Formats: sequence, structure tokens, C-alpha cells
Amino acid sequence: DGGITQSPKYLFRKEGQNVTLSCEQNLNHDAMYWYRQDPGQGLRLIYYSQIVNDFQKGDIAEGYSVSREKKESFPLTVTSAQKNPTAFYLCASSILDRSEAFFGQGTRLTVV
Amino acid sequence: QQQVKQSPQSLIVQKGGISIINCAYENTAFDYFPWYQQFPGKGPALLIAIRPDVSEKKEGRFTISFNKSAKQFSLHIMDSQPGDSATYFCAARANYGGSQGNLIFGKGTKLSVKP
Repeated sequence: DGGITQSPKYLFRKEGQNVTLSCEQNLNHDAMYWYRQDPGQGLRLIYYSQIVNDFQKGDIAEGYSVSREKKESFPLTVTSAQKNPTAFYLCASSILDRSEAFFGQGTRLTVV
Repeated sequence: QQQVKQSPQSLIVQKGGISIINCAYENTAFDYFPWYQQFPGKGPALLIAIRPDVSEKKEGRFTISFNKSAKQFSLHIMDSQPGDSATYFCAARANYGGSQGNLIFGKGTKLSVKP
């Protein structure tokens, strides 16, 4: 089945630790995105990538890092510099010249 | 100018009623306006989308109305059902002379349809 797979579904992190969220897509999409969702805040763009080995900061990139070594994969690292990391993280992908974005099922990160 | 303002924040509708969610924008470069539906614990899924060359688009019980001069667009859910209870997001994307911008999302509307 084609789609976007995020793992894990739930993730717990101790304060001061880095953690990496996985996002894999088999849709052959060029563009991939990471969003953060907080209650009442909508979806805010963290990072995006339109091509392998290239990525751009979104609106709230501080405390996060990404890589795009393969077209299918766009992992997000939440670093210890992110002051309030507890949130629902969503990965999405799209064809560059088409507007529709497809979302994964999300990862809920909780700092304990 | 990049914002998309969505209202109301929450909405309660009786089964069979009409649900209406509104969005407004400022950026005249926006040329794609999708609506996403999200159930709890799931990722958003595209529901319906419109481009500014038409004033209305209908898919089943879901209709987008678009008012280009007022820079507003709305989602109407006819004959609302309890299964429609979800959070709905409007969004917009700009086209800068062939270069696509990123989707800008509204803050969402939590819809509850009472049986």
C-alpha cells in the first residue's frame, strides 16, 4: 500500500535528551514536510525539503534538525534545545507541481 | 499577510443540520484552498479543495464556497452526521510565478454533531 509511515506512534523522552522521529513515504513524492500540532494552534511548519540533500527551515525550526539523504525518508530530530517539545508531530509529502499534501498518522511526543 | 484566519474554534450541530466553517486570508498570491479533516489521534486527510477561478465546489455533502473579492472561503457540511465529528482545517497555498509556497493552515474548528 502506498502512503506515509511515521514511527513510533507514541514516544516518551526525558528532559535533556535528543530523540528522532521517523517518516518514510513510498509515494515517490519529491517534497516532504514536518509539522507540529498543539491544541488550538493548528499546524505549524517546522522544516521542509523539496529535493534530496536539501531542506529549508519553516516557521518554528528552532530546536529541531532534519536530514534528507534519501527521497523516501525525512527524519526529524527533536533536540534538547527545544524548550517545549511535547506535541503531536505530523509528516507530510507532496508532488512538487501538485498542491495536495498527504499526511502520516503522526507521532505523539511526551517529555517526562 | 501569510495568515489564514479560521472561525469558529468549535461548533456543535444537531444531526441533519448544516455545519458552516469560515476562513479569511490576506495574501492575494494564494491560489489553492484545501480543507482537511482530522479525527483524534490521526493525521489530517484532504477533504475537498478549490482554486479561485470558481466560486463553488461540491463533493457529496461537502461544499466549498469561495468569495475572491472578500478573500473568504467556507466549508458547508450538509445533513451533518455524528461521523462528521472531527477537527477541520482550512489552508491556503501561494503561487509565486510558478514557484509554489507552503501550505498555511488555519487553527482548526472542532465540530461535534449531536445525534
